[in-house]
Amino acid sequence: LAKTTQPISMDSYEGQEVNITCSHNNIATNDYITWYQQFPSQGPRFIIQGYKTKVTNEVASLFIPADRKSSTLSLPRVSLSDTAVYYCLVGVRGNYGQNFVFGPGTRLSVLP
Amino acid sequence: DTGVSQNPRHKITKRGQNVTFRCDPISEHNRLYWYRQTLGQGPEFLTYFQNEAQLEKSRLLSDRFSAERPKGSFSTLEIQRTEQGDSAMYLCASSFQGGGPEAFFGQGTRLTVV
Repeated sequence: LAKTTQPISMDSYEGQEVNITCSHNNIATNDYITWYQQFPSQGPRFIIQGYKTKVTNEVASLFIPADRKSSTLSLPRVSLSDTAVYYCLVGVRGNYGQNFVFGPGTRLSVLP
Repeated sequence: DTGVSQNPRHKITKRGQNVTFRCDPISEHNRLYWYRQTLGQGPEFLTYFQNEAQLEKSRLLSDRFSAERPKGSFSTLEIQRTEQGDSAMYLCASSFQGGGPEAFFGQGTRLTVV
């Protein structure tokens, strides 16, 4: 069962790029890396998923080095509305059971 | 609205009472998950259905908790003899087996046991 470690909190200013790094030293061969965003009193919302190298979608990029023991979520030009908790998860793609564990997440605060 | 729907959004109950929550997943999703989230923590997995079959249950799911998904559509989570420690947000999520990577979460039911 892969355990993840992320910073508890981060501050940024509007318009800046934010990078949140997650460590997952015991990631397994079949594991994917998934990031979720959560606002207060709402369920988590999927942001991005990747297996290796780089993945980009309309809201974020995910950088995964060759050893896959860490990954970095990159949010370009954050706005106040990006203030939320971000969770890094590691697990087999498509499975969200006991092997798909949410940690405490990273609380991102975007300041004006 | 084709997202995951949870009802009620809020529930206040007295200790010892039974409560039941309902989750309506995205219609074409055959997998359904229940999570519990307490303040400042990430969601904790409780149980998971594929169609009507309950395939996984967490150790967190004591015998006071029961979940059903009749006919593989909506699901209910019942907590019997509620305790103050059951106060939390109960989240439901659904996904499509073999489909995209993401699970879609509902907005949750916040339970307060007084």
